[in-house]
Amino acid sequence: AQSVTQLGSHVSVSEGALVLLRCNYSSSVPPYLFWYVQYPNQGLQLLLKYTTGATLVKGINGFEAEFKKSETSFHLTKPSAHMSDAAEYFCAVSHTGRRALTFGSGTRLQVQP
Amino acid sequence: DSGVTQTPKHLITATGQRVTLRCSPRSGDLSVYWYQQSLDQGLQFLIHYYNGEERAKGNILERFSAQQFPDLHSELNLSSLELGDSALYFCASSVGSRDRNEQFFGPGTRLTVL
Repeated sequence: AQSVTQLGSHVSVSEGALVLLRCNYSSSVPPYLFWYVQYPNQGLQLLLKYTTGATLVKGINGFEAEFKKSETSFHLTKPSAHMSDAAEYFCAVSHTGRRALTFGSGTRLQVQP
Repeated sequence: DSGVTQTPKHLITATGQRVTLRCSPRSGDLSVYWYQQSLDQGLQFLIHYYNGEERAKGNILERFSAQQFPDLHSELNLSSLELGDSALYFCASSVGSRDRNEQFFGPGTRLTVL
């Protein structure tokens, strides 16, 4: 079985500050890891993904994440928050043999002016 | 715009009724996944179809069923609806059945059961 834990259901940062959204996973086999963003009344948009290879992954809108196997983590970061980053962020995992995504509970990011 | 379309956007119905949600995948995508998003359960995988065949089931109730047609569009049928079925239903598509293929999500259908 696999699972995803996102620490902090709500995170608030000031505009220009570092964004750090935490994700830990549990998987008995090598995972594929994803971050999705959901804006109000919209579907999910892929920010970035890790499958194999380089453990530091760069995504859209200036976001990046680092896969740390020893810590079973895949935290999402962005050096400088913009107001437009306010949304809900979901970490998800899949693996060989299970193509469907298992999602974390989500983190709502608020950006203060 | 992901290229995945879902209809209707909103659906309001009564308990005990039956509804059908429709999904058209991106052009060329053979896999369709259905997910349910609710406040208490979060985002949960329901079912996966690949090129017309069911490939995997998740937390899908027996009252729910789905199919993928030869033109690759998919329908999710929900019957004997209960208040707890109120949720956002997303479909997602990917190119094939390979695990690494990212999934592209549609805008969702918001179902309200009164």
